[in-house]
Amino acid sequence: DGGITQSPKYLFRKEGQNVTLSCEQNLNHDAMYWYRQDPGQGLRLIYYSQIVNDFQKGDIAEGYSVSREKKESFPLTVTSAQKNPTAFYLCASKAQGHGYTFGSGTRLTVV
Amino acid sequence: GDSVTQMEGPVTLSEEAFLTINCTYTATGYPSLFWYVQYPGEGLQLLLKATKADDKGSNKGFEATYRKETTSFHLEKGSVQVSDSAVYFCALISNQAGTALIFGKGTTLSVSS
Repeated sequence: DGGITQSPKYLFRKEGQNVTLSCEQNLNHDAMYWYRQDPGQGLRLIYYSQIVNDFQKGDIAEGYSVSREKKESFPLTVTSAQKNPTAFYLCASKAQGHGYTFGSGTRLTVV
Repeated sequence: GDSVTQMEGPVTLSEEAFLTINCTYTATGYPSLFWYVQYPGEGLQLLLKATKADDKGSNKGFEATYRKETTSFHLEKGSVQVSDSAVYFCALISNQAGTALIFGKGTTLSVSS
């Protein structure tokens, strides 16, 4: 079955460390997105990519980086520059003319 | 930039009560509008959508009408059930961020029997 896979489901990171969250889709969708979810803040857009080898900053890109070397993959790196990285991270994808598909999310905790 | 404002929660109702969750938006043009729902411990699911003015989206007893004159997309249900307890998000497709969805902050609904 087609879908989006985010891994791992839970991730713990020490302060000052970079960590990469995986997002893989086998839906052949061109566009992919990363959101951050905090209680009371809704989902805020971190980065998005409309096509392979191209991506754009969203509303809260500071402290994050992404790459889009393959159509099916859109990994998100949370760098040490992100001051408050503990959150729930959601990945999504979309094909033109179709709806959005969301992953099940990764919960990142800084310890 | 484009934005969505929805009523703050939590909203607490008794079973069979009427539900309204207000949502207004700021955007250029007439964006497609959505309501998503997140049940406890689960991912995000599309509840309903409307793509042009005066469209009414509906699903599972929920309805929302796209009102361009008031830039609103309020969610309503005539009789809520305990199983409707969840977080509800209003969203639009932003012309300023490719085809990314821009979400409101979410409204938590708690229904008791």
